[in-house]
Amino acid sequence: GAGVSQSPSNKVTEKGKDVELRCDPISGHTALYWYRQRLGQGLEFLIYFQGNSAPDKSGLPSDRFSAERTGESVSTLTIQRTQQEDSAVYLCASSPTTTNTGELFFGEGSRLTVL
Amino acid sequence: GNSVTQMEGPVTLSEEAFLTINCTYTATGYPSLFWYVQYPGEGLQLLLKATKADDKGSNKGFEATYRKETTSFHLEKGSVQVSDSAVYFCALSGSDYKLSFGAGTTVTVRA
Repeated sequence: GAGVSQSPSNKVTEKGKDVELRCDPISGHTALYWYRQRLGQGLEFLIYFQGNSAPDKSGLPSDRFSAERTGESVSTLTIQRTQQEDSAVYLCASSPTTTNTGELFFGEGSRLTVL
Repeated sequence: GNSVTQMEGPVTLSEEAFLTINCTYTATGYPSLFWYVQYPGEGLQLLLKATKADDKGSNKGFEATYRKETTSFHLEKGSVQVSDSAVYFCALSGSDYKLSFGAGTTVTVRA
């Protein structure tokens, strides 16, 4: 597609349930990033992929969070046993390469609400 | 570690007013600096960037200069429009390749 696509755009779930958030990056982009944006706060880095490998998982808040990427394309962020503090907008971004000078292209995010 | 501190908002201005959003950073090495903007109902998009000291990034009338001596990257626009109403994020990218963002500044421009 033309841009980074994320689904679902909105997800309401009950505490304790598992959720999966999907990101479809721009075709050909090898780097993919996940960020979290809590209400009124800045973006919090979660994880990034270079190809299918994840060199940096340091931002994942707990072992309830995991992410995978297959075929240098789609990525899935999974949150198990959701808690209310997981409520946030989860943003995905992609980039043609992993450099510190390049632009990240963001999706519109998946808004997660945990009741 | 790398971090970014930007001016807290919200900021409310009248059309044609001068806008400044302060941003300072802490980083090792030689980071690149960015301003991203999020318009209502849209995803974040790059506004401008600077990749080395004394570089000036500019776009859509906005400017920011990479000042290593003051570790700053303040965003300025001389005459804002209603369409500039958005949330602005200062960001830094270091040798770890991940962007570190400030908390964001909400700017509202009134006609």
